[in-house]
Amino acid sequence: DAGITQSPRHKVTETGTPVTLRCHQTENHRYMYWYRQDPGHGLRLIHYSYGVKDTDKGEVSDGYSVSRSKTEDFLLTLESATSSQTSVYFCAIRADREDNSPLHFGNGTRLTVT
Amino acid sequence: KNEVEQSPQNLTAQEGEFITINCSYSVGISALHWLQQHPGGGIVSLFMLSSGKKKHGRLIATINIQEKHSSLHITASHPRDSAVYICAVRRGNTPLVFGKGTRLSVIA
Repeated sequence: DAGITQSPRHKVTETGTPVTLRCHQTENHRYMYWYRQDPGHGLRLIHYSYGVKDTDKGEVSDGYSVSRSKTEDFLLTLESATSSQTSVYFCAIRADREDNSPLHFGNGTRLTVT
Repeated sequence: KNEVEQSPQNLTAQEGEFITINCSYSVGISALHWLQQHPGGGIVSLFMLSSGKKKHGRLIATINIQEKHSSLHITASHPRDSAVYICAVRRGNTPLVFGKGTRLSVIA
């Protein structure tokens, strides 16, 4: 299995509080992604990174920010959590931008905003 | 942005049955992925296709570029195949767009 770890695995927080989710990889892969998964929706891309300090927005980026200060870590921050951000968050990594490189997923973080 | 449609949404099968899950998409793509999500939540990549057919064990994935359609087949299904199967497509170098998944339950 690809070395990808998400933390925390579960978190309950109150509306308005800041939350940071961490994705850590030991594969030295260039590309890292944050997705959210909600009932009735496919996985939706929040932000992604194509290198240290290089990030871009996905389709549901409002209310989220990311940082990648080193290859192995990709942080997702909710500056002021809202109930609509209750979701399961998945990090994924990819070695190469080309299509012959598979996507490897972390085990997910279940976030509940009360 | 591609729209990815999967069918059926839910599928229940008896152990041993041949299973087909379908994925249709609306515009030209460079690759299509099939993924599996087990009840515990972990997501695993099964196949990446840009043409033709791939096989791994009891799983077979096919794609018809002209028809904009892919199928995932499971032969001799087993309860451990119970999972959500997800189709995702890529156009050029854009990030993957995911379908909503097909929930498969295989009953012994």
